[in-house]
Amino acid sequence: KNEVEQSPQNLTAQEGEFITINCSYSVGISALHWLQQHPGGGIVSLFMLSSGKKKHGRLIATINIQEKHSSLHITASHPRDSAVYICSGGSNYKLTFGKGTLLTVNP
Amino acid sequence: NAGVTQTPKFQVLKTGQSMTLQCAQDMNHEYMSWYRQDPGMGLRLIHYSVGAGITDQGEVPNGYNVSRSTTEDFPLRLLSAAPSQTSVYFCASRAGTGSSGNTIYFGEGSWLTVV
Repeated sequence: KNEVEQSPQNLTAQEGEFITINCSYSVGISALHWLQQHPGGGIVSLFMLSSGKKKHGRLIATINIQEKHSSLHITASHPRDSAVYICSGGSNYKLTFGKGTLLTVNP
Repeated sequence: NAGVTQTPKFQVLKTGQSMTLQCAQDMNHEYMSWYRQDPGMGLRLIHYSVGAGITDQGEVPNGYNVSRSTTEDFPLRLLSAAPSQTSVYFCASRAGTGSSGNTIYFGEGSWLTVV
């Protein structure tokens, strides 16, 4: 069992919809990262969270340390949000990555 | 500020050949790492370094070698390429060594095919 589990694996939405991607982890972590990867492209860091909530534009990330759960929300989704979203958690030097959620936003 | 620069972007190797994937960062980050990304699997750590002269194995180190002679550079060597090493490779860096709580910066990836 992967120590970091994401759901759903695939998500298709219509432009404008509110999106939620979930991440559960079984390891103790000092921080959780949300990453974005466009098809054939590099990986970009969206958020780094150790508690609470962060917001950047239309993206919101939350974390509940007690429940070992984090969510990434996208408000007013747009086709350019189509990408793979990856959560990752760890402590000290090593991060464990989820398998990613493939998001497709149709116009 | 170039961030993390990874080369080559694409490479085809024959089984048994050796090659080096280059990685350089200009942010003076202590921590650098190499990952491979395979379909249906999360990124997996190959090797990492917490500073010049210090390297350690990750989750899938077999068949790979690394060195860290400077803060900026962290090359990954494939000693004798095998088809199982066909993958996309990412180099990453972040500031600090004792915590994972710093922003991670990734290179653009290297697509390697071993035939």
